[in-house]
Amino acid sequence: DAGVIQSPRHEVTEMGQEVTLRCKLISGHNSLFWYRQTMMRGLELLIYFNNNVPIDDSGMPEDRFSAKMPNASFSTLKIQPSEPRDSAVYFCASSPSGTRIIGGELFFGEGSRLTVL
Amino acid sequence: GNSVTQMEGPVTLSEEAFLTINCTYTATGYPSLFWYVQYPGEGLQLLLKATKADDKGSNKGFEATYRKETTSFHLEKGSVQVSDSAVYFCALSDSSGNTGKLIFGQGTTLQVKP
Repeated sequence: DAGVIQSPRHEVTEMGQEVTLRCKLISGHNSLFWYRQTMMRGLELLIYFNNNVPIDDSGMPEDRFSAKMPNASFSTLKIQPSEPRDSAVYFCASSPSGTRIIGGELFFGEGSRLTVL
Repeated sequence: GNSVTQMEGPVTLSEEAFLTINCTYTATGYPSLFWYVQYPGEGLQLLLKATKADDKGSNKGFEATYRKETTSFHLEKGSVQVSDSAVYFCALSDSSGNTGKLIFGQGTTLQVKP
């Protein structure tokens, strides 16, 4: 079975450009999480969805960041305009957990490494 | 709020040495506790978990026991291998009852030398 699929794996762009990161969930999963990983701040939860609905976006750094789930199996994270401090590895993770199930496993993609020059 | 604190790395060991990576947590309610592992260039994978006090999670020779009295979930392995070199993350679930949101520690890098 295919796991969580992220694209692109690597992106190098210049400050001010728009960046779009993509994520395909594991079939049958209904929760989707976007995390950002940096050396300084470790793993930070940016936003998560349940059944396509954003539940908590309090981790989104600022208005330059936006995330969508246009359907049950796909999500995008967009940064516009990008800045050098956005350089990080962005992970997408999915879970079969429902809205009131806790303690479930997260399945992570391999990450998208973003470098903003 | 809920938080996880791990021992700082890197931890460098020789093959077959005993491993302990400390993890303590602060949480309201009764969270589930997890250890995830991240191999170079890959995403995180669940290593083991425990869902209630005194539970022991185990997998691939690794173990961790949910200690509510000391709010700890230390990871141990009796004999490490070079292939265990990775970054290890302790995490807890958001005990508010909503979805599977996890809060991660900073990660501890383990380097095992032959």
